[in-house]
Amino acid sequence: GAVVSQHPSRVICKSGTSVKIECRSLDFQATTMFWYRQFPKKSLMLMATSNEGSKATYEQGVEKDKFLINHASLTLSTLTVTSAHPEDSSFYICSAGKGLAGGTDTQYFGPGTRLTVL
Amino acid sequence: AQSVTQLDSHVSVSEGTPVLLRCNYSSSYSPSLFWYVQHPNKGLQLLLKYTSAATLVKGINGFEAEFKKSETSFHLTKPSAHMSDAAEYFCVVDPGTYKYIFGTGTRLKVLA
Repeated sequence: GAVVSQHPSRVICKSGTSVKIECRSLDFQATTMFWYRQFPKKSLMLMATSNEGSKATYEQGVEKDKFLINHASLTLSTLTVTSAHPEDSSFYICSAGKGLAGGTDTQYFGPGTRLTVL
Repeated sequence: AQSVTQLDSHVSVSEGTPVLLRCNYSSSYSPSLFWYVQHPNKGLQLLLKYTSAATLVKGINGFEAEFKKSETSFHLTKPSAHMSDAAEYFCVVDPGTYKYIFGTGTRLKVLA
């Protein structure tokens, strides 16, 4: 149980275009979903936290107009990278949990999406 | 402030020998602690977690970790390494905010 999927696993796009990444919890309802960015050989950096039906909470330094997050249902969250540039190329990983922000619970991670912006 | 320190960025062991990956944490609250493993170009898989129950936590694939409050440590061990254990390992603390704080990771190399 507690499986999280991401789609696509890999995407290549041209500079200036937008890319949408989906994160789904397959066998549980995810009250909270998280989006992380991982640079090569580096740890994960939390970008934002979202609760179903609420606006996402972005971490300091993350541009909310560039990284649009929607958590429309208890099983789906999307990250849209708008007007992508080469510096947005990275490995994006989502996670999902049954707890609420301010509490504590296990996060279950998706397999990640490799974004390359040409 | 909460933080996690993984003391070794790289660890190499021979197949069949014990594995020790070290983690120290700093937290103002009673934290939940986790170890995750990441294989190349993959997401993170939960190995084990500590949530204020037994201090010795057993996880998947023969891994275990011991929570030592006096030493603020949560080291990960395995009696006998397999080639398939080669990966990146992350120690994570949740200080009660449901926001994970990640260590910088330890890359485990297993030599044949």
